[in-house]
Amino acid sequence: GESVGLHLPTLSVQEGDNSIINCAYSNSASDYFIWYKQESGKGPQFIIDIRSNMDKRQGQRVTVLLNKTVKHLSLQIAATQPGDSAVYFCAENKREYGNKLVFGAGTILRVKS
Amino acid sequence: DAGVTQSPTHLIKTRGQQVTLRCSPKSGHDTVSWYQQALGQGPQFIFQYYEEEERQRGNFPDRFSGHQFPNYSSELNVNALLLGDSALYLCASERAGYGYTFGSGTRLTVV
Repeated sequence: GESVGLHLPTLSVQEGDNSIINCAYSNSASDYFIWYKQESGKGPQFIIDIRSNMDKRQGQRVTVLLNKTVKHLSLQIAATQPGDSAVYFCAENKREYGNKLVFGAGTILRVKS
Repeated sequence: DAGVTQSPTHLIKTRGQQVTLRCSPKSGHDTVSWYQQALGQGPQFIFQYYEEEERQRGNFPDRFSGHQFPNYSSELNVNALLLGDSALYLCASERAGYGYTFGSGTRLTVV
């Protein structure tokens, strides 16, 4: 398939290690934030979201941290698996009439077996 | 239950031509948004349709237009294609109070 992120920053981790992917956002008025995973040839797939009134949210093997002071978002993946290899995007959303997402630049995650 | 369906999956057009891309939303969803994703970049919001009207629009020229039908499906039209329009075009559908579901996209190549 085609590569989604030819010129994106890359994070390489060993299988079983934890991964941390970082993102800076721009709009302090955004009211929620989402992490997406995008595999080659596919559309973005929802991973986890967090509202602006929270600073941490946990899912299955994933944790999102939100620091509004410095407009920073991170995604932590525990026990990274080869199937986690993909491009990861953060997106911010300010709901006015419906969702309108502003995506960050993306990070390629490569998991080494 | 089918998710978001987009057609075609790939197509090649010549500069100056017009193209129409199609999207069928996930069952129960009534709002459709379109995004353009250039190679190596994140998706960029083009516009959103709700109740057959354009409700929000991103920073795209008037060459980009759309339509939503009574069954909630949607089309994206691009006129006077430029080489820079080559990208993956993503459709996302939603229902009020719920998040997006993205389709797999249409890969448009302009030559």
